[in-house]
Amino acid sequence: RKEVEQDPGPFNVPEGATVAFNCTYSNSASQSFFWYRQDCRKEPKLLMSVYSSGNEDGRFTAQLNRASQYISLLIRDSKLSDSATYLCVVSRPGNTPLVFGKGTRLSVIA
Amino acid sequence: GAGVSQTPSNKVTEKGKYVELRCDPISGHTALYWYRQSLGQGPEFLIYFQGTGAADDSGLPNDRFFAVRPEGSVSTLKIQRTERGDSAVYLCASSPNRGRLTEAFFGQGTRLTVV
Repeated sequence: RKEVEQDPGPFNVPEGATVAFNCTYSNSASQSFFWYRQDCRKEPKLLMSVYSSGNEDGRFTAQLNRASQYISLLIRDSKLSDSATYLCVVSRPGNTPLVFGKGTRLSVIA
Repeated sequence: GAGVSQTPSNKVTEKGKYVELRCDPISGHTALYWYRQSLGQGPEFLIYFQGTGAADDSGLPNDRFFAVRPEGSVSTLKIQRTERGDSAVYLCASSPNRGRLTEAFFGQGTRLTVV
């Protein structure tokens, strides 16, 4: 089983729609959680960290469920510019590298 | 700019040749990571440096792959006897973390094609 699993999509949604991505992780000792965004042929960039209490940044809401080892990202009022691949990222305790999921591809259509 | 810089941006090499990929991290970042990304996949961890030393090289696929960071800044990923399966985008990232992982900043990658 992969350490971080995501539905690869693609998710094709109209502008203005709400879309949610889910991610599961297998290592219960995982400590930090992130969503990264990657545009086509570009490098990944941090979208937001995911905190235990859940957090929101504008149209984006991230949630963590440690008991179920599950992370989610909700995007409200989708924009064309939201089209990208969204990477679920997890790190274990200590000085350990980030572990990336395969990514979920989102296409927002006019 | 002051971001992570990787050179070359593209490299085409023949099977069996040796290649070196360079990464200039953000100044002052102690942590440096190498990842490899194939089409349709997420970045796959290769090696992680904390300062000059390799803190974790468990992701290197075999002994043809080696990386150094002699002065704790610039890093070079070296691939010997390249194979067609080595073709991928090699991403470097740096982070200022000291103990707890913080945001990793990626370079634009080196696209390696082995023909």
